[in-house]
Amino acid sequence: GENVEQHPSTLSVQEGDSAVIKCTYSDSASNYFPWYKQELGKGPQLIIDIRSNVGEKKDQRIAVTLNKTAKHFSLHITETQPEDSAVYFCAASRSGGSNYKLTFGKGTLLTVNP
Amino acid sequence: DTEVTQTPKHLVMGMTNKKSLKCEQHMGHRAMYWYKQKAKKPPELMFVYSYEKLSINESVPSRFSPECPNSSLLNLHLHALQPEDSALYLCASDNPGTGTGELFFGEGSRLTVL
Repeated sequence: GENVEQHPSTLSVQEGDSAVIKCTYSDSASNYFPWYKQELGKGPQLIIDIRSNVGEKKDQRIAVTLNKTAKHFSLHITETQPEDSAVYFCAASRSGGSNYKLTFGKGTLLTVNP
Repeated sequence: DTEVTQTPKHLVMGMTNKKSLKCEQHMGHRAMYWYKQKAKKPPELMFVYSYEKLSINESVPSRFSPECPNSSLLNLHLHALQPEDSALYLCASDNPGTGTGELFFGEGSRLTVL
């Protein structure tokens, strides 16, 4: 089955700095890579996703890059703000079937210090 | 309306109690999921219902019993739980087969088993 490794497990940055979280996956058939943000006491929320036919995707301060050959993908947050503080999970799956299973990374606790 | 609503938000129960967790979505999604999340861990898939039929059971103990009365509702019946079952239980939904991949999560029900 799929295995997703996520690093680092904790990340502390100063407000305004950039933050980068990296994930690797094992199943070359995986083609969908979402990133979820989970704030304290809340459920995970999708913040950005990328499919394997795209190398990079950007949404305002958030970007995701994918290297299919190396089987890794990264989340980049620029101009970090205190409200970006949360746990971030990467995930991988084969999408498009009647049901698919997301394999999550272990999460990264991001702390943005004012 | 893009919400998955879970009740109750908090539940404390003894090992001999019978209780239920409820989940509701009105996005027209035809797949609904139960996940279990322990502290500082990623969500773990428990059950998947697709078109009101149970399609995935991740070898969950029988003390957890899922039910999908209709396409908008998902229940998780709890009986004879153990203290180690204390966790955040997350409901999620999406549309199977569309290839969009996005899972919408609820805020979760935090369960404590005494």
